[in-house]
Amino acid sequence: TQLLEQSPQFLSIQEGENLTVYCNSSSVFSSLQWYRQEPGEGPVLLVTVVTGGEVKKLKRLTFQFGDARKDSSLHITAAQPGDTGLYLCAGYGDSNYQLIWGAGTKLIIKP
Amino acid sequence: DAGITQSPRHKVTETGTPVTLRCHQTENHRYMYWYRQDPGHGLRLIHYSYGVKDTDKGEVSDGYSVSRSKTEDFLLTLESATSSQTSVYFCAISGTGWDEQFFGPGTRLTVL
Repeated sequence: TQLLEQSPQFLSIQEGENLTVYCNSSSVFSSLQWYRQEPGEGPVLLVTVVTGGEVKKLKRLTFQFGDARKDSSLHITAAQPGDTGLYLCAGYGDSNYQLIWGAGTKLIIKP
Repeated sequence: DAGITQSPRHKVTETGTPVTLRCHQTENHRYMYWYRQDPGHGLRLIHYSYGVKDTDKGEVSDGYSVSRSKTEDFLLTLESATSSQTSVYFCAISGTGWDEQFFGPGTRLTVL
């Protein structure tokens, strides 16, 4: 069974600090996706990483896909209150059409 | 925003009663999914559909059934609701089944 483990589960930091969220697996994924979910809404895709070693930047957010395609990280520089939310990683596993989801990292950025 | 609606948005029901949740899309996407989201568990797949009348089970399908008679509608039915089915239910759609999933706003279901 393919699993995605996210850490930390919860993170509360001050505005302006940097942080990193991790998404790890013992299995290889062809790609990994990162979603953000705000309270009362469904998740929204932030980025998809496909190639091992790939780095993608989305403003202050930097996403990396591990060389072996078993892990990914999300780094936020100078976090802002608007970054508050639940961050979820997900990847398509061996079973067609089914995304495997991490349990999520709840991020709170305090002004 | 992808055109996905869910109804109802909130529902309170009693144990043993049947419940049907509806997902409607205007994107003509082939793949549709039903998830439940509970604290500490992330999103868990209940059932999904890869075409009209084509459905398959997900990770937590016990106690749930689905139907898809039209491309735009995917129904989730709890035949006899139990308190363990209290959750937030999300519908999602995907064009190819291997790409981004677009989510509806969710339905909060409480079973007393």
